[in-house]
Amino acid sequence: EPEVTQTPSHQVTQMGQEVILRCVPISNHLYFYWYRQILGQKVEFLVSFYNNEISEKSEIFDDQFSVERPDGSNFTLKIRSTKLEDSAMYFCASSYPPRTGANVLTFGAGSRLTVL
Amino acid sequence: AQTVTQSQPEMSVQEAETVTLSCTYDTSESDYYLFWYKQPPSRQMILVIRQEAYKQQNATENRFSVNFQKAAKSFSLKISDSQLGDAAMYFCAYSNYGGSQGNLIFGKGTKLSVKP
Repeated sequence: EPEVTQTPSHQVTQMGQEVILRCVPISNHLYFYWYRQILGQKVEFLVSFYNNEISEKSEIFDDQFSVERPDGSNFTLKIRSTKLEDSAMYFCASSYPPRTGANVLTFGAGSRLTVL
Repeated sequence: AQTVTQSQPEMSVQEAETVTLSCTYDTSESDYYLFWYKQPPSRQMILVIRQEAYKQQNATENRFSVNFQKAAKSFSLKISDSQLGDAAMYFCAYSNYGGSQGNLIFGKGTKLSVKP
């Protein structure tokens, strides 16, 4: 069964450093997403991406964050200058929305980011 | 704003028994979608079951079924004949009908343990 793959599985970085989290969505999917989960808290929507542009973003997704689909297969999340509070599990997801019915997201296993 | 609440942080069930996980949500919308996702340890979230709010019939997928009470805004998951492989974190999620379907709103999750 097709999977969404994410790298790295765990990254440790110093506060203020830039971080890029990578995702390979399912090949025929059209929508791509990033979610995050701070330890002990809910999984939260960050951003959705369609047709090479952001289609929706949450309040969390401020100017420190950016997304890109650089080569038609990868989907990346960049955090420009990491803060302690960016420590979280980051989940990538992708979907192929049906004409009718629910848009079912397929999630990756997550990238754990630890900011020291 | 929509919210999802899972009031049971942890649940335990004996193998082969039945367990019900609770979820309530709040929305002013009349059409929306509800989901249960399962996340085994260190693995990706996978869809267990989904429900369209405009369908009165409760969704079922093999041993998994839901009790969808629209008026009460309740969406519980019943797992019958529990198996060791059912042990995981279970997330209830909500999405709007239409354009922002990829913006899932999650509950905090219920950790299910299955005792042999």
